[in-house]
Amino acid sequence: AQSVTQPDARVTVSEGASLQLRCKYSYSGTPYLFWYVQYPRQGLQLLLKYYSGDPVVQGVNGFEAEFIKSNSSFHLRKASVHWSDSAVYFCAVSAQGGSAKLIFGEGTKLTVSS
Amino acid sequence: GPKVLQIPSHQIIDMGQMVTLNCDPVSNHLYFYWYKQILGQQMEFLVNFYNGKVMEKSKLFKDQFSVERPDGSYFTLKIQPTALEDSAVYFCASSPLGGNTLYFGAGTRLSVL
Repeated sequence: AQSVTQPDARVTVSEGASLQLRCKYSYSGTPYLFWYVQYPRQGLQLLLKYYSGDPVVQGVNGFEAEFIKSNSSFHLRKASVHWSDSAVYFCAVSAQGGSAKLIFGEGTKLTVSS
Repeated sequence: GPKVLQIPSHQIIDMGQMVTLNCDPVSNHLYFYWYKQILGQQMEFLVNFYNGKVMEKSKLFKDQFSVERPDGSYFTLKIQPTALEDSAVYFCASSPLGGNTLYFGAGTRLSVL
């Protein structure tokens, strides 16, 4: 069965520091992988996605993620965080093909302290 | 970017009543989804819908739940009757043909009293 695990429920980093949010997935086959961000009282916004090709994908606002198939991981990174990055981040996986549902991880709440 | 609109943003109803949550998906999208998020927890898939039919539903999609998109208008989630455990935020999403990227609305917070 498909599943996504985000082992860190909460992460706190200082403004300007680097960031890594961890994501591991379980999927038999070639998955599509996503990172979404949820700001308070808002819907999810897509940060980046991986379908195929270069395992390092770039997203919005300086975020990137690396697909490591051997480790079943898709960690999210940012070189220097800003206070406005404080939000909940969700990793998700789906099967290839249209209408494939997203399976989400538990989410990681990021707090950026000044 | 593309916008999915959900109306209302918050709805309060008494247990046992019927409620309809409305979603205005991105205009040229063909796949529609509902997700449920209990406060502080992950998003959980309820159902997806294409060409007038439910394609897949989870065990959370109880018999009291139904979805439809009459005449290409709002995509709706109806709960009849509601139960206390239905209190959550319900997110609608849509995606285009051949695309796996889902676009989410801001959610409707349903409070069942």
